[in-house]
Amino acid sequence: GQNIDQPTEMTATEGAIVQINCTYQTSGFNGLFWYQQHAGEAPTFLSYNVLDGLEEKGRFSSFLSRSKGYSYLLLKELQMKDSASYLCAVMDSNYQLIWGAGTKLIIKP
Amino acid sequence: GAVVSQHPSWVICKSGTSVKIECRSLDFQATTMFWYRQFPKQSLMLMATSNEGSKATYEQGVEKDKFLINHASLTLSTLTVTSAHPEDSSFYICSAKFADVEQFFGPGTRLTVL
Repeated sequence: GQNIDQPTEMTATEGAIVQINCTYQTSGFNGLFWYQQHAGEAPTFLSYNVLDGLEEKGRFSSFLSRSKGYSYLLLKELQMKDSASYLCAVMDSNYQLIWGAGTKLIIKP
Repeated sequence: GAVVSQHPSWVICKSGTSVKIECRSLDFQATTMFWYRQFPKQSLMLMATSNEGSKATYEQGVEKDKFLINHASLTLSTLTVTSAHPEDSSFYICSAKFADVEQFFGPGTRLTVL
């Protein structure tokens, strides 16, 4: 079966760095997405990785290792507004998104 | 990025009535749109995949006669919740696929059935 695993909840301090991990097992792979979702709102796109390596975009970076079925989202210089759920999703061979359950990130002052 | 709109943003209705939710891609043509449902503190659950001009493909456990999906044009898909009940109260989100890869999400519709 297809499976996406990510931690349920993480806590970090304002100004610090946090890494949210995601492991996956899917039928085929056409890329991995990270989305941010604030409570009561729709997800917003953060990053897309299809090749191995690190993609940096401002304070956010995303890493992919296809051989390990592993990705992480790295958030630097955390701000209170980064408190949200972070969703990992993998696009399978049918170009269908398989979603993780999301990681709720709590930022403390 | 591309813009997807949803209407209405929120709706309150009585049990037994039907509610229609519209999803529009404003600046691109979307051959495929997706409908998701999200209950509080849970992840997105795909309900159905909608392709323009053809019948929607429903996920297992989703009643096609209760959740009617119409994708009449490349920029509009509608979800009608028929004979809504309180257990249908949820956050309904549509997304539109762009260039075979990225999905852009609408802002969501919060449905409350009394």
